[in-house]
Amino acid sequence: DTEVTQTPKHLVMGMTNKKSLKCEQHMGHRAMYWYKQKAKKPPELMFVYSYEKLSINESVPSRFSPECPNSSLLNLHLHALQPEDSALYLCASSQDDRGQGGYTFGSGTRLTVV
Amino acid sequence: GQNIDQPTEMTATEGAIVQINCTYQTSGFNGLFWYQQHAGEAPTFLSYNVLDGLEEKGRFSSFLSRSKGYSYLLLKELQMKDSASYLCAVRSEDNYGQNFVFGPGTRLSVLP
Repeated sequence: DTEVTQTPKHLVMGMTNKKSLKCEQHMGHRAMYWYKQKAKKPPELMFVYSYEKLSINESVPSRFSPECPNSSLLNLHLHALQPEDSALYLCASSQDDRGQGGYTFGSGTRLTVV
Repeated sequence: GQNIDQPTEMTATEGAIVQINCTYQTSGFNGLFWYQQHAGEAPTFLSYNVLDGLEEKGRFSSFLSRSKGYSYLLLKELQMKDSASYLCAVRSEDNYGQNFVFGPGTRLSVLP
């Protein structure tokens, strides 16, 4: 298995909803990442988990809450989002947080906040 | 902080060769990556350079000069399916930890 799987692929949510994005990999990678990508812009790093511990939080608002239940899973809990949070949310993983072997990206969750 | 620059758009003809440049300014440099991203899809890894020189992988090659803060991605024998955005990304480390930042991307259009 050489993939990063993200679910759901599409999500529409209201500003008062609570939802979660899920990411899974079975490559034995010990670092996992959340990125946010707006149209025609590069991905922007949100969070880094290394060995299941949060190592980087790029000043992301608290309405985004990451969780790493185990080395294969990464969640992003969403609450009280704003329309400007609509974007493609990408999960990525690498062998370790030094990026050994490159970063493998999931296909993303396209989020629309209404 | 980091500053990464790439041309916004490029156009080339099928079968030709194109070079996409990336310049960067960073401290604690620890690797440069190239990714391909088709519209609406996830980035896919193309190449990684951490030492000066050329890395060749089939139709794609990537070059790095650390002293000049410069890299390029060379695409040979262009195909229509190579139309995509090409993202340069720089990894660095400082006292606060690791950083991995994407450049703005270059949108390549391959014409018949």
